[in-house]
Amino acid sequence: DTGVSQDPRHKITKRGQNVTFRCDPISEHNRLYWYRQTLGQGPEFLTYFQNEAQLEKSRLLSDRFSAERPKGSFSTLEIQRTEQGDSAMYLCASSLDRGLSNLGYTFGSGTRLTVV
Amino acid sequence: ELKVEQNPLFLSMQEGKNYTIYCNYSTTSDRLYWYRQDPGKSLESLFVLLSNGAVKQEGRLMASLDTKARLSTLHITAAVHDLSATYFCAVAAANFGNEKLTFGTGTRLTIIP
Repeated sequence: DTGVSQDPRHKITKRGQNVTFRCDPISEHNRLYWYRQTLGQGPEFLTYFQNEAQLEKSRLLSDRFSAERPKGSFSTLEIQRTEQGDSAMYLCASSLDRGLSNLGYTFGSGTRLTVV
Repeated sequence: ELKVEQNPLFLSMQEGKNYTIYCNYSTTSDRLYWYRQDPGKSLESLFVLLSNGAVKQEGRLMASLDTKARLSTLHITAAVHDLSATYFCAVAAANFGNEKLTFGTGTRLTIIP
């Protein structure tokens, strides 16, 4: 297993377009998280799945954002009608046990979104 | 709402010197994490601290946790250029089932030869 994979690595889109990102977690991890990081800031929590169930959503996740994890494996994050303020690095993380092991939470390389 | 503060935000230090980064948080927590981030890259896990008094060391970095003071420190010993990066602490509140990490704003560390 090569860790948490995210695709694409970079995405440039025009304002108003829809975009979708994919995250493949470590295969045995049942928990999957999405975070957003803007320049010069720490990551901010967006949402979290345990298996296929979305158990928590941040107030940051407006109605233009939707996340799914249909079979409890990979996850997608869709942003509809993108705005310039959506430009950020979108990070996916996974864990097996609420981050209680020495590995904690493993982050992917992220998808950098630029809205022009 | 859990708040996490790091200081300093920026740190420029000479090679060979020692320094400490501080992470304060506002509510009871049972889990604290330190991450390293290089420019344009993702987060690399450094330490997982799960109990009061926990101390972990890896190379020139040592992290500790005082849950009573709601304080964690990341100590750098005899800094080398390769340690230049941004360091984040992240805290999970101690609510049962809580899965959300709250990150500090990060400490940008620059090691000067």
